[in-house]
Amino acid sequence: AQSVTQPDIHITVSEGASLELRCNYSYGATPYLFWYVQSPGQGLQLLLKYFSGDTLVQGIKGFEAEFKRSQSSFNLRKPSVHWSDAAEYFCAGYYAGKSTFGDGTTLTVKP
Amino acid sequence: EAQVTQNPRYLITVTGKKLTVTCSQNMNHEYMSWYRQDPGLGLRQIYYSMNVEVTDKGDVPEGYKVSRKEKRNFPLILESPSPNQTSLYFCASSPSTARMNTEAFFGQGTRLTVV
Repeated sequence: AQSVTQPDIHITVSEGASLELRCNYSYGATPYLFWYVQSPGQGLQLLLKYFSGDTLVQGIKGFEAEFKRSQSSFNLRKPSVHWSDAAEYFCAGYYAGKSTFGDGTTLTVKP
Repeated sequence: EAQVTQNPRYLITVTGKKLTVTCSQNMNHEYMSWYRQDPGLGLRQIYYSMNVEVTDKGDVPEGYKVSRKEKRNFPLILESPSPNQTSLYFCASSPSTARMNTEAFFGQGTRLTVV
């Protein structure tokens, strides 16, 4: 069965520090991959997506993600975190009509 | 403005009383989907629809029904709600599943409590 795993439930970083959120996927074929952000009480906002081609994808708000087929990973990165980045982040895979989301990683940003 | 609109945003109901959560999109998207979000479980797909009159089960379809009579609307129906359906529900739409350009626009969510 297809699955998306986010190993870290909660991450805390200092403002200005770099960030990496991990995502691993398990599919029979390479799915489309996405990262979403959800602020409290809000819906999900798409940060970036990977369909094919360049393995490093750029998204909004200064985020980027790297697709690594050999590691079945699609980790999200940001060089310098801002306090407004505190939120919950979801990695998702999509294949043949079905979407699968990871359980989410909550990001806390320390002043 | 392109958007996905869910109604109601908040709902408290009693066990067994049928309810419908509406979802409407104004982007002429072919693909629509319903999810439920529960603490520690992320989003789980309930049902999806690839086009009008085409619906299919996601990972957690039990206790839910959907219909897609027209492209813009994709209501979620709970015929006999139970407390374990207390959750935050999201509707989403995407341009197409046939084109290589799939991303989901999400509604603001519906927080349902079944007592």
